[in-house]
Amino acid sequence: EAQVTQNPRYLITVTGKKLTVTCSQNMNHEYMSWYRQDPGLGLRQIYYSMNVEVTDKGDVPEGYKVSRKEKRNFPLILESPSPNQTSLYFCASSSTGGGHTEAFFGQGTRLTVV
Amino acid sequence: DQQVKQNSPSLSVQEGRISILNCDYTNSMFDYFLWYKKYPAEGPTFLISISSIKDKNEDGRFTVFLNKSAKHLSLHIVPSQPGDSAVYFCAASVRGSNYKLTFGKGTLLTVNP
Repeated sequence: EAQVTQNPRYLITVTGKKLTVTCSQNMNHEYMSWYRQDPGLGLRQIYYSMNVEVTDKGDVPEGYKVSRKEKRNFPLILESPSPNQTSLYFCASSSTGGGHTEAFFGQGTRLTVV
Repeated sequence: DQQVKQNSPSLSVQEGRISILNCDYTNSMFDYFLWYKKYPAEGPTFLISISSIKDKNEDGRFTVFLNKSAKHLSLHIVPSQPGDSAVYFCAASVRGSNYKLTFGKGTLLTVNP
């Protein structure tokens, strides 16, 4: 089954404690991205990757890092989480570029930073 | 600067009637538009898309209309079913834009039995 898998689904952490949210896709997609969803703001892109070792900032990259060492994995790293990073996070992948194809989304990670 | 706008946060319709969800955009460079549906506790799922060279695309009960001169698109669901109750996101992209999708804030559709 084609899918994008995120872990964990729920996470509560404390300010400043480094964390990683993993994302893996089994569709051999080149393009992967991370979004956060906040009430009244919709989905905003954090980082994206066009292929292995190729990443770039989205609209709201501050406080986040990513890496793309393998095609299937695209982890999101919060080196020093803060309460304003409390949000619902989605990883997505797609096969071709320019947004001219559907993106497949993971089920989401609800992060709370206290 | 919000480039994709969904001005109705919510919409309520009766089962069997038509649901019309609206989306406006400001960036005239957008040339591809998509609608995603999101249920609670799940990720968004692709619903339907339209290229800027078309003004209509149909898929079963779902039809998307594009009015380029007005920079407006709409999603029609006919007939609406209770299972259609979800948040609907409009998204847009520009060819050669490094794969970026720009999303609206979403519209919560409730279909009442």
